[in-house]
Amino acid sequence: TQLLEQSPQFLSIQEGENLTVYCNSSSVFSSLQWYRQEPGEGPVLLVTVVTGGEVKKLKRLTFQFGDARKDSSLHITAAQPGDTGLYLCGGGSNYKLTFGKGTLLTVNP
Amino acid sequence: GAVVSQHPSRVICKSGTSVKIECRSLDFQATTMFWYRQFPKQSLMLMATSNEGSKATYEQGVEKDKFLINHASLTLSTLTVTSAHPEDSSFYICSAPRTTVSNYGYTFGSGTRLTVV
Repeated sequence: TQLLEQSPQFLSIQEGENLTVYCNSSSVFSSLQWYRQEPGEGPVLLVTVVTGGEVKKLKRLTFQFGDARKDSSLHITAAQPGDTGLYLCGGGSNYKLTFGKGTLLTVNP
Repeated sequence: GAVVSQHPSRVICKSGTSVKIECRSLDFQATTMFWYRQFPKQSLMLMATSNEGSKATYEQGVEKDKFLINHASLTLSTLTVTSAHPEDSSFYICSAPRTTVSNYGYTFGSGTRLTVV
């Protein structure tokens, strides 16, 4: 089983601050995905990274896939209260997705 | 596109009764669906993989006789929690793989909050 370690597990910051969430594994993944989940809802796909060293940007969110395809990071610039939620990284093979434990982000106004 | 509709969103049932949760792929065919369970402020735990036209594959520790999965069509998978007990109370979510021009990932249902009293 491929394991994904996410850090930090909890993060509470003020509006306007920057933050980075990490997703690490000892295994190589063909791709990694980042999801955001709001309370009482299902996760929503933010991005999929496929190529080692790849960087993708989604407005204030920057996603990076490690060169060895074992790790990924999510950086949020100038966080806003609307960014509050559970951020999950997921990866796997044969359609079977493994999730990290998630980072619960709270952005305070 | 690639919407998965999950119903009901919330259900309260008495201990010992059974509850059925439905997941439908609205605009695509899902030969495979996944069922997850999630406890408050925790990540998703994969329970089983549902395959259209064949038996579901259950993860270790998940009782297949308690969590019945049926995937009779390419657009519908159901999870039935049989003889529910309070410890079965949880948030249940389904998902299906999807591929678009720009992205590959999984589309999730909106989840079902099950409370067993």
